[in-house]
Amino acid sequence: AQRVTQPEKLLSVFKGAPVELKCNYSYSGSPELFWYVQYSRQRLQLLLRHISRESIKGFTADLNKGETSFHLKKPFAQEEDSAMYYCALSGGAGNMLTFGGGTRLMVKP
Amino acid sequence: EPEVTQTPSHQVTQMGQEVILRCVPISNHLYFYWYRQILGQKVEFLVSFYNNEISEKSEIFDDQFSVERPDGSNFTLKIRSTKLEDSAMYFCASSLWVNQPQHFGDGTRLSIL
Repeated sequence: AQRVTQPEKLLSVFKGAPVELKCNYSYSGSPELFWYVQYSRQRLQLLLRHISRESIKGFTADLNKGETSFHLKKPFAQEEDSAMYYCALSGGAGNMLTFGGGTRLMVKP
Repeated sequence: EPEVTQTPSHQVTQMGQEVILRCVPISNHLYFYWYRQILGQKVEFLVSFYNNEISEKSEIFDDQFSVERPDGSNFTLKIRSTKLEDSAMYFCASSLWVNQPQHFGDGTRLSIL
């Protein structure tokens, strides 16, 4: 069975501070991992995926297979980063996504 | 940029009634999905659909649920006899191909009274 855990429901930081949103997964195969973001009153949007190894809006995430983690990081948080962040794992024949519970990031001025 | 669209944005239905949630996936996408999120809980996978067939479904997707692509653009989720616990946000998503990123709609909030 595949499982995604985001241990923090809420993360509050000041503007300019570093941010790390934690994500751990459990999956027997070779995982494909994503971070989705949901800004207030907007749809779930793909932020990044591990396979592309790119930085979007200053965010990066590295897949650590040894620790089964895919933490999302940003060196300097901005107020507009305030949103709900979901880590998700793709697996199975039907390409289903398994989501973590989400972390609400609040960036204070 | 093309988007997945869902209608209605909010649906209120009496328990025991049938409800149909509608989605228009991105036009060149071939894989379609339904997810739901009960208030305060995780986003949960319901079903994936490809080539007019269900390719995978979760334990939640029991006999009261069905999906259909009635024409070239719509993708629907039908709940036959709604229960109070079906109250949730239902998200439709589509992807160009398997293992490609899924694009989500705004969701339909379903309230069962």
